[in-house]
Amino acid sequence: GENVEQHPSTLSVQEGDSAVIKCTYSDSASNYFPWYKQELGKGPQLIIDIRSNVGEKKDQRIAVTLNKTAKHFSLHITETQPEDSAVYFCAAQTAGNKLTFGGGTRVLVKP
Amino acid sequence: KAGVTQTPRYLIKTRGQQVTLSCSPISGHRSVSWYQQTPGQGLQFLFEYFSETQRNKGNFPGRFSGRQFSNSRSEMNVSTLELGDSALYLCASSWRGDANTGELFFGEGSRLTVL
Repeated sequence: GENVEQHPSTLSVQEGDSAVIKCTYSDSASNYFPWYKQELGKGPQLIIDIRSNVGEKKDQRIAVTLNKTAKHFSLHITETQPEDSAVYFCAAQTAGNKLTFGGGTRVLVKP
Repeated sequence: KAGVTQTPRYLIKTRGQQVTLSCSPISGHRSVSWYQQTPGQGLQFLFEYFSETQRNKGNFPGRFSGRQFSNSRSEMNVSTLELGDSALYLCASSWRGDANTGELFFGEGSRLTVL
């Protein structure tokens, strides 16, 4: 089955700096790659997603890039703010509609 | 629009007992998925139900089971609880019908502690 590796597991950045989280997947048939943000005490919430026919997608301060050949995708957060502090999960969905999540990255934005 | 509601939010059980968790999806959503979240293993997929049928299943033992009712509400059951079952159980609903992808809307979870 699909295996998703996510790095780093923790990330501390200064407010205003950029943060980058990287994920790799194993199943070349995976075709949908969402990113979820989980704040303390809450369930994960979708922040951005990308499909396999697109290389990059941007939404204000967040962007996701996908390299299908290398089977990796990344989340980029620019101009980080304290409210960006949370746990971020990448995920990959195979043709069987199963969504496999990475292990998560705890991001701390220091003011 | 009401979000995904999970009950109970917290519960404590002892080894060998069983537990039933409930999930009410967003109105109109027919797909309900369940995930187990633990600090060491992240989010692990348990199963997905669509229109009362199990559509996908993760790699969990048969002690973990679920069902979905005609109003799309779902329950999951864990029998013969083990210490390792202590986790946050998250339910997510989506409108996914025939489409392969769709945003998952998560509830706040049911935190199970097994003593």
